[in-house]
Amino acid sequence: DAKTTQPPSMDCAEGRAANLPCNHSTISGNEYVYWYRQIHSQGPQYIIHGLKNNETNEMASLIITEDRKSSTLILPHATLRDTAVYYCIVNGANSKLTFGKGITLSVRP
Amino acid sequence: KAGVTQTPRYLIKTRGQQVTLSCSPISGHRSVSWYQQTPGQGLQFLFEYFSETQRNKGNFPGRFSGRQFSNSRSEMNVSTLELGDSALYLCASSLGQGVIEQYFGPGTRLTVT
Repeated sequence: DAKTTQPPSMDCAEGRAANLPCNHSTISGNEYVYWYRQIHSQGPQYIIHGLKNNETNEMASLIITEDRKSSTLILPHATLRDTAVYYCIVNGANSKLTFGKGITLSVRP
Repeated sequence: KAGVTQTPRYLIKTRGQQVTLSCSPISGHRSVSWYQQTPGQGLQFLFEYFSETQRNKGNFPGRFSGRQFSNSRSEMNVSTLELGDSALYLCASSLGQGVIEQYFGPGTRLTVT
């Protein structure tokens, strides 16, 4: 059963911030929120994860609401190479990743 | 550091045959997971191996099997191939069992005719 809900697609202009939403209203206290992306014809790529605090790395920022029922992945300056399917995954300490349909981000020139 | 490598990259087999796919994890990674990706079902977990033992299994028939060697390299085998087994098979490695930060290989594209 999918634990996350994402819109099917969105687009943004190159150079602008891309804000990708994810709902996970049934998340448990010990479950993390993970984001992966899959660029066409490649394997998925880990982006970032968080528990309840906001997280930032060289690729993106992850903002988790205080009630942990939703989160937003932020790509601060989207480029054409960021066009991909982005997967939001909720998981505890289980290596079995459950991928939903993800959200297709299209970055336009 | 070299990434996850998978061989072969492309494979064409006939229904009823069997196939073996290979995965070499990132050096130092001891856990290997396998996933199947199809247009209809998306990415689905097959199984995970750690220390040469299957630790986790997805909902696939027994025709799908795997193993892991002492050097952490892994193989998966599909016997009695069906047309529906045509898919991209992805291998992912991580430092250990239960580590969610997984690094995926480019996949093996299997076509069953």
